[in-house]
Amino acid sequence: GAVVSQHPSRVICKSGTSVKIECRSLDFQATTMFWYRQFPKKSLMLMATSNEGSKATYEQGVEKDKFLINHASLTLSTLTVTSAHPEDSSFYICSVTTGGTEAFFGQGTRLTVV
Amino acid sequence: KNQVEQSPQSLIILEGKNCTLQCNYTVSPFSNLRWYKQDTGRGPVSLTIMTFSENTKSNGRYTATLDADTKQSSLHITASQLSDSASYICVVSPFSGGYNKLIFGAGTRLAVHP
Repeated sequence: GAVVSQHPSRVICKSGTSVKIECRSLDFQATTMFWYRQFPKKSLMLMATSNEGSKATYEQGVEKDKFLINHASLTLSTLTVTSAHPEDSSFYICSVTTGGTEAFFGQGTRLTVV
Repeated sequence: KNQVEQSPQSLIILEGKNCTLQCNYTVSPFSNLRWYKQDTGRGPVSLTIMTFSENTKSNGRYTATLDADTKQSSLHITASQLSDSASYICVVSPFSGGYNKLIFGAGTRLAVHP
Protein backbone atom coordinates (compact mmCIF):
# COMPACT_ATOMS: atom_id res chain seq x y z
CA GLY A 1 0.00 0.00 0.00
CA ALA A 2 0.88 3.64 -0.31
CA VAL A 3 2.89 5.33 2.40
CA VAL A 4 1.58 8.77 3.29
CA SER A 5 3.57 11.14 5.45
CA GLN A 6 2.32 14.36 7.03
CA HIS A 7 4.39 17.13 8.51
CA PRO A 8 4.33 18.48 11.11
CA SER A 9 2.60 16.05 13.42
CA ARG A 10 1.86 18.82 15.91
CA VAL A 11 1.89 22.57 15.60
CA ILE A 12 0.94 25.41 17.91
CA CYS A 13 0.49 28.85 16.43
CA LYS A 14 -0.74 32.24 17.51
CA SER A 15 -4.11 33.49 16.46
CA GLY A 16 -3.91 35.42 13.20
CA THR A 17 -0.89 33.60 11.81
CA SER A 18 -0.81 31.03 8.99
CA VAL A 19 0.21 27.42 9.21
CA LYS A 20 1.24 25.08 6.39
CA ILE A 21 0.73 21.33 6.60
CA GLU A 22 2.44 19.02 4.13
CA CYS A 23 1.17 15.69 2.87
CA ARG A 24 3.58 13.50 0.95
CA SER A 25 2.90 10.29 -0.90
CA LEU A 26 6.24 8.54 -0.50
CA ASP A 27 5.88 5.61 -2.86
CA PHE A 28 2.97 6.46 -5.10
CA GLN A 29 2.27 9.23 -7.58
CA ALA A 30 -1.02 10.67 -6.45
CA THR A 31 -2.99 12.84 -8.84
CA THR A 32 -5.59 13.25 -6.14
CA MET A 33 -5.23 13.69 -2.41
CA PHE A 34 -7.90 14.37 0.17
CA TRP A 35 -7.87 16.60 3.22
CA TYR A 36 -9.99 15.82 6.27
CA ARG A 37 -10.60 17.53 9.58
CA GLN A 38 -11.48 15.68 12.73
CA PHE A 39 -12.75 17.24 15.94
CA PRO A 40 -12.46 15.33 19.24
CA LYS A 41 -14.67 12.26 19.36
CA LYS A 42 -16.13 13.11 15.96
CA SER A 43 -16.00 11.63 12.48
CA LEU A 44 -13.50 12.61 9.86
CA MET A 45 -15.03 15.30 7.69
CA LEU A 46 -13.84 15.81 4.14
CA MET A 47 -12.68 19.37 3.58
CA ALA A 48 -11.40 19.29 0.04
CA THR A 49 -10.08 17.20 -2.80
CA SER A 50 -6.62 18.24 -3.93
CA ASN A 51 -5.96 17.80 -7.65
CA GLU A 52 -2.44 17.82 -9.05
CA GLY A 53 -1.94 20.73 -11.40
CA SER A 54 -5.39 22.20 -10.95
CA LYS A 55 -7.61 23.84 -8.39
CA ALA A 56 -8.80 21.98 -5.35
CA THR A 57 -12.45 21.06 -4.96
CA TYR A 58 -13.86 22.23 -1.64
CA GLU A 59 -16.77 20.73 0.25
CA GLN A 60 -19.74 22.86 1.07
CA GLY A 61 -19.09 25.14 4.02
CA VAL A 62 -15.30 25.05 3.75
CA GLU A 63 -13.77 28.46 3.03
CA LYS A 64 -11.34 28.08 0.16
CA ASP A 65 -9.66 31.39 0.95
CA LYS A 66 -8.99 30.27 4.48
CA PHE A 67 -7.83 26.75 3.71
CA LEU A 68 -5.45 27.09 0.79
CA ILE A 69 -4.54 23.87 -0.96
CA ASN A 70 -1.66 23.46 -3.37
CA HIS A 71 -0.91 20.21 -5.19
CA ALA A 72 2.08 21.16 -7.27
CA SER A 73 3.51 17.68 -7.75
CA LEU A 74 2.35 14.08 -7.81
CA THR A 75 3.84 13.45 -4.39
CA LEU A 76 3.06 16.60 -2.43
CA SER A 77 -0.05 18.46 -1.40
CA THR A 78 -0.05 21.29 1.12
CA LEU A 79 -2.84 22.74 3.23
CA THR A 80 -2.33 26.26 4.54
CA VAL A 81 -4.60 27.51 7.27
CA THR A 82 -4.56 31.27 6.86
CA SER A 83 -5.24 33.74 9.65
CA ALA A 84 -5.82 30.89 12.03
CA HIS A 85 -8.23 31.26 14.94
CA PRO A 86 -8.82 29.06 17.97
CA GLU A 87 -11.86 27.48 16.30
CA ASP A 88 -9.51 26.14 13.61
CA SER A 89 -7.81 24.00 16.22
CA SER A 90 -8.37 20.45 15.07
CA PHE A 91 -6.77 17.27 13.76
CA TYR A 92 -6.07 17.49 10.03
CA ILE A 93 -5.55 14.29 8.04
CA CYS A 94 -4.72 13.72 4.39
CA SER A 95 -5.29 10.59 2.37
CA VAL A 96 -4.24 9.05 -0.90
CA THR A 97 -6.02 6.46 -3.01
CA THR A 98 -4.10 4.15 -5.29
CA GLY A 99 -6.72 3.55 -7.92
CA GLY A 100 -8.21 0.51 -6.25
CA THR A 101 -10.59 0.47 -3.34
CA GLU A 102 -8.01 1.31 -0.71
CA ALA A 103 -7.42 4.67 0.92
CA PHE A 104 -4.24 5.37 2.84
CA PHE A 105 -4.09 8.06 5.48
CA GLY A 106 -1.31 10.20 6.81
CA GLN A 107 -0.55 10.21 10.49
CA GLY A 108 -2.38 13.51 10.96
CA THR A 109 -1.45 16.97 12.18
CA ARG A 110 -2.70 18.32 15.47
CA LEU A 111 -3.17 22.09 15.11
CA THR A 112 -3.62 24.20 18.20
CA VAL A 113 -4.28 27.91 17.77
CA VAL A 114 -3.72 30.00 20.89
CA LYS B 1 -29.37 11.31 4.14
CA ASN B 2 -26.48 8.86 4.03
CA GLN B 3 -25.37 8.03 7.53
CA VAL B 4 -23.13 5.63 9.35
CA GLU B 5 -23.90 5.00 13.01
CA GLN B 6 -21.61 3.08 15.32
CA SER B 7 -22.18 1.53 18.70
CA PRO B 8 -21.16 1.53 21.39
CA GLN B 9 -19.48 4.93 21.52
CA SER B 10 -16.93 3.53 23.92
CA LEU B 11 -16.07 0.18 25.40
CA ILE B 12 -13.74 -1.11 28.09
CA ILE B 13 -12.69 -4.75 28.15
CA LEU B 14 -10.04 -6.80 29.88
CA GLU B 15 -7.03 -8.08 28.03
CA GLY B 16 -7.67 -11.45 26.43
CA LYS B 17 -11.41 -10.96 26.11
CA ASN B 18 -13.37 -10.75 22.88
CA CYS B 19 -15.58 -7.90 21.80
CA THR B 20 -17.89 -6.94 18.95
CA LEU B 21 -18.40 -3.47 17.56
CA GLN B 22 -21.47 -2.54 15.56
CA CYS B 23 -22.05 -0.38 12.50
CA ASN B 24 -25.44 0.48 11.01
CA TYR B 25 -25.65 2.44 7.79
CA THR B 26 -28.29 3.96 5.58
CA VAL B 27 -26.04 4.38 2.55
CA SER B 28 -27.64 2.68 -0.43
CA PRO B 29 -26.47 1.54 -2.83
CA PHE B 30 -22.94 1.21 -1.62
CA SER B 31 -19.72 0.03 -3.16
CA ASN B 32 -17.81 -1.16 -0.13
CA LEU B 33 -17.66 -1.01 3.64
CA ARG B 34 -14.40 -0.58 5.47
CA TRP B 35 -13.21 -0.82 9.04
CA TYR B 36 -10.28 1.28 10.15
CA LYS B 37 -8.27 1.39 13.36
CA GLN B 38 -7.20 4.83 14.54
CA ASP B 39 -4.72 5.15 17.36
CA THR B 40 -4.88 8.36 19.39
CA GLY B 41 -3.25 11.18 17.50
CA ARG B 42 -2.68 9.08 14.40
CA GLY B 43 -4.33 8.59 11.03
CA PRO B 44 -6.68 5.64 10.36
CA VAL B 45 -5.21 2.32 9.25
CA SER B 46 -7.26 -0.13 7.20
CA LEU B 47 -8.35 -3.40 8.79
CA THR B 48 -10.86 -4.82 6.30
CA ILE B 49 -12.71 -3.89 3.14
CA MET B 50 -15.85 -5.69 2.03
CA THR B 51 -17.92 -5.26 -1.09
CA PHE B 52 -21.69 -5.50 -0.91
CA SER B 53 -21.53 -9.17 -1.96
CA GLU B 54 -19.20 -10.26 0.82
CA ASN B 55 -20.45 -11.49 4.19
CA THR B 56 -17.26 -11.79 6.17
CA LYS B 57 -13.62 -10.92 6.02
CA SER B 58 -10.83 -11.58 8.47
CA ASN B 59 -7.53 -9.92 9.19
CA GLY B 60 -5.74 -11.75 11.95
CA ARG B 61 -7.72 -11.34 15.15
CA TYR B 62 -10.14 -8.97 13.43
CA THR B 63 -13.22 -10.38 11.69
CA ALA B 64 -15.73 -8.15 9.97
CA THR B 65 -19.21 -9.25 8.96
CA LEU B 66 -21.67 -7.60 6.65
CA ASP B 67 -25.42 -8.04 6.23
CA ALA B 68 -26.43 -5.93 3.26
CA ASP B 69 -30.11 -6.73 3.78
CA THR B 70 -30.25 -5.24 7.26
CA LYS B 71 -27.49 -2.72 6.49
CA GLN B 72 -25.41 -3.81 9.44
CA SER B 73 -21.77 -4.64 9.90
CA SER B 74 -19.81 -5.79 12.88
CA LEU B 75 -16.16 -6.00 13.78
CA HIS B 76 -15.21 -8.81 16.12
CA ILE B 77 -11.92 -8.71 17.95
CA THR B 78 -10.71 -11.92 19.52
CA ALA B 79 -8.20 -12.36 22.33
CA SER B 80 -7.81 -8.63 22.77
CA GLN B 81 -4.43 -7.10 23.44
CA LEU B 82 -3.45 -3.84 25.09
CA SER B 83 -2.40 -2.55 21.67
CA ASP B 84 -5.97 -2.93 20.45
CA SER B 85 -6.85 0.19 22.45
CA ALA B 86 -7.89 2.64 19.75
CA SER B 87 -10.87 4.04 17.89
CA TYR B 88 -12.47 1.77 15.32
CA ILE B 89 -14.14 3.53 12.46
CA CYS B 90 -16.71 2.14 10.05
CA VAL B 91 -16.59 3.79 6.62
CA VAL B 92 -18.99 3.30 3.73
CA SER B 93 -18.31 4.20 0.12
CA PRO B 94 -21.50 4.95 -1.83
CA PHE B 95 -21.83 3.17 -5.15
CA SER B 96 -22.05 6.31 -7.21
CA GLY B 97 -19.29 8.19 -5.52
CA GLY B 98 -15.57 8.45 -5.86
CA TYR B 99 -13.30 8.31 -2.91
CA ASN B 100 -14.33 11.78 -1.92
CA LYS B 101 -17.68 10.33 -1.02
CA LEU B 102 -16.47 8.17 1.83
CA ILE B 103 -18.90 8.40 4.74
CA PHE B 104 -17.34 7.98 8.15
CA GLY B 105 -18.89 6.80 11.37
CA ALA B 106 -17.93 8.56 14.59
CA GLY B 107 -16.05 5.51 15.76
CA THR B 108 -16.05 3.26 18.80
CA ARG B 109 -13.33 4.01 21.35
CA LEU B 110 -12.03 0.73 22.71
CA ALA B 111 -9.90 0.56 25.83
CA VAL B 112 -8.26 -2.75 26.70
CA HIS B 113 -7.17 -2.96 30.32
CA PRO B 114 -4.68 -5.42 31.80
